[in-house]
Amino acid sequence: EAQVTQNPRYLITVTGKKLTVTCSQNMNHEYMSWYRQDPGLGLRQIYYSMNVEVTDKGDVPEGYKVSRKEKRNFPLILESPSPNQTSLYFCASSFKASGHNEQFFGPGTRLTVL
Amino acid sequence: KQEVTQIPAALSVPEGENLVLNCSFTDSAIYNLQWFRQDPGKGLTSLLLIQSSQREQTSGRLNASLDKSSGRSTLYIAASQPGDSATYLCAVNAGGTSYGKLTFGQGTILTVHP
Repeated sequence: EAQVTQNPRYLITVTGKKLTVTCSQNMNHEYMSWYRQDPGLGLRQIYYSMNVEVTDKGDVPEGYKVSRKEKRNFPLILESPSPNQTSLYFCASSFKASGHNEQFFGPGTRLTVL
Repeated sequence: KQEVTQIPAALSVPEGENLVLNCSFTDSAIYNLQWFRQDPGKGLTSLLLIQSSQREQTSGRLNASLDKSSGRSTLYIAASQPGDSATYLCAVNAGGTSYGKLTFGQGTILTVHP
């Protein structure tokens, strides 16, 4: 089944404890991105990747890192999480960044930073 | 800067009604527009993708139209059912230097009661 998977789905952690949220897609998509969703602010892009080893900042990249060493994986790293990073996180992928390409989203990771 | 607005913010209808959700965007230079459904606490499910060159797309009881010149899209749901209850999000892909970023509206919360 073609899908985007994320792990963990739920995470409660404490301020400053490094964590990684994994994202994987099995559709051979070149383009992957991360969004966070917050009440009243909607979905905002954190980082994106046009292809392997090509990543760039979205609208809200502060406090996050990403890597794209393999085409299928695009982990989101929080080196020192803070309470304002409590949010619902989504990974998305598509064949290309634009044009006639539908974007597919993962199931989401609900992160709480205490 | 692209801005996306969805009206109404919430809608409650009895089962069986036909309904229309509205989405407007400020910059008509888009590659495509995508409608998503989000169930509470869950991920985004893609419903329809309309390319900038298209006027409408249909999938089952759903029909989405696009008027790029006026910056508007509508999602028409025929014969609504309680299972249609969810938040509906529209998102535009402006292509170009947005590098695949989707700009989302705030969503329309739909409740279909039996």
